[in-house]
Amino acid sequence: GQNIDQPTEMTATEGAIVQINCTYQTSGFNGLFWYQQHAGEAPTFLSYNVLDGLEEKGRFSSFLSRSKGYSYLLLKELQMKDSASYLCAVRKAAGNKLTFGGGTRVLVKP
Amino acid sequence: DVKVTQSSRYLVKRTGEKVFLECVQDMDHENMFWYRQDPGLGLRLIYFSYDVKMKEKGDIPEGYSVSREKKERFSLILESASTNQTSMYLCASTPWGETGNEQFFGPGTRLTVL
Repeated sequence: GQNIDQPTEMTATEGAIVQINCTYQTSGFNGLFWYQQHAGEAPTFLSYNVLDGLEEKGRFSSFLSRSKGYSYLLLKELQMKDSASYLCAVRKAAGNKLTFGGGTRVLVKP
Repeated sequence: DVKVTQSSRYLVKRTGEKVFLECVQDMDHENMFWYRQDPGLGLRLIYFSYDVKMKEKGDIPEGYSVSREKKERFSLILESASTNQTSMYLCASTPWGETGNEQFFGPGTRLTVL
């Protein structure tokens, strides 16, 4: 089976940095995805990691350590529009099937 | 621009009714997925399909069935709706392949079963 854990909620201030952690235990691993989901909207793709290390994309970065079963999403220079849920998802070795964590709701305050 | 559409944003049905949720994608993707999303539980996979007429059970298939008669359309069927199927239903699609292919999601259908 698969177990994916991430914090339920985080609060941060506009302009600050927030790090959302995701730990996973899976039978097989073929990549980890981060999605952003605003309230009432569909999830949208943010990042993908399959090798260890940091992937940077503008204000957002994602890190992966396969040996530790650990990833984080780093949001820099927070803006009010970054208030959303952030979903961590793991793909098993075969196919395109994803297993999602419960999501982390981030609230950005002025 | 890639697009996944779902037939309804909001739906209210009664217990015991047969319910059809439709999903259409215009990206010629092979893979299509149905999830439900509940507070604290995240997205859970109900069924998925790799090709026309092919389907595989996800993590929570009980009480649901699916149909994929055409490549662009994937339907979720609740044979006899129950109150515990009240949820947000999300459809997604992705092209075939093992690389970092993201899943594209539809806007969701919020289903209430009374």
